[in-house]
Amino acid sequence: DVKVTQSSRYLVKRTGEKVFLECVQDMDHENMFWYRQDPGLGLRLIYFSYDVKMKEKGDIPEGYSVSREKKERFSLILESASTNQTSMYLCASSSLTGDNNEKLFFGSGTQLSVL
Amino acid sequence: DQQVKQNSPSLSVQEGRISILNCDYTNSMFDYFLWYKKYPAEGPTFLISISSIKDKNEDGRFTVFLNKSAKHLSLHIVPSQPGDSAVYFCAASAGYPAGSYQLTFGKGTKLSVIP
Repeated sequence: DVKVTQSSRYLVKRTGEKVFLECVQDMDHENMFWYRQDPGLGLRLIYFSYDVKMKEKGDIPEGYSVSREKKERFSLILESASTNQTSMYLCASSSLTGDNNEKLFFGSGTQLSVL
Repeated sequence: DQQVKQNSPSLSVQEGRISILNCDYTNSMFDYFLWYKKYPAEGPTFLISISSIKDKNEDGRFTVFLNKSAKHLSLHIVPSQPGDSAVYFCAASAGYPAGSYQLTFGKGTKLSVIP
C-alpha cells in the first residue's frame, strides 16, 4: 500500500513563528501536493510539485512556500505563521491509473493551531 | 468561481437505506471524476472514480453515475452502513498531460448514517 507520512498530527505555534510541515511518500511518485482543509471550504490546493526542485502555485499560495529537495519528500513552510493559517494541512502524492488519469493518496493530516 | 459544487453540506440516512450524494460541475473540460471519503482527523481516502467515456461505475456498495449533458454526477451507497458516516468529497480533473494536472475538489458533504 502507498504510504504518505506527515511528520506531526498536531502542532501548536505562535504568531510570527516559522513553521515546517514535512511529508514523505514511499511509492516513488513524481507528483506531490499540499492542501489545506477548512470547514465549509473543502480542500484547497496550496502548492504542488511534479519533480525534484520543481514547484507550482496552487489556488492559495500566499503566505506559504515549499521545498522538494528529494523525490520522496515535500515540505510546506509557513514563513511567518498567522492565526488565519490555523487549519488541517494535507499532503498527497499521486500515481497514474490504468487509463492515464491521476489518483491522489493522502497523508493523515497535520492539524496546525496558530495562537 | 467554484467549478465543482456539492450543494448539500450534510445528509442523514437511515442504516440500510440508500445514500445519494450529488455533485455538479461547470468546467466542460473535466473528463475524470473521483469521490474521496474522509473521517475526522484522517486524510481523505480514494473511494471510486469514473471517466467521461462512461456513465456508470460500480464497486460493491458504491456506484457513481455521470450525466455529462447535465454536468452532474452522483454517488449511491446501497445499503448504507454506520461506518459510511464521513465527509465525502467530489473531485474532477481536466485530463491534462500526465504529470502536469491538478484535481479540483468540492466543499464536501457530511453523511451521517443513523443506526
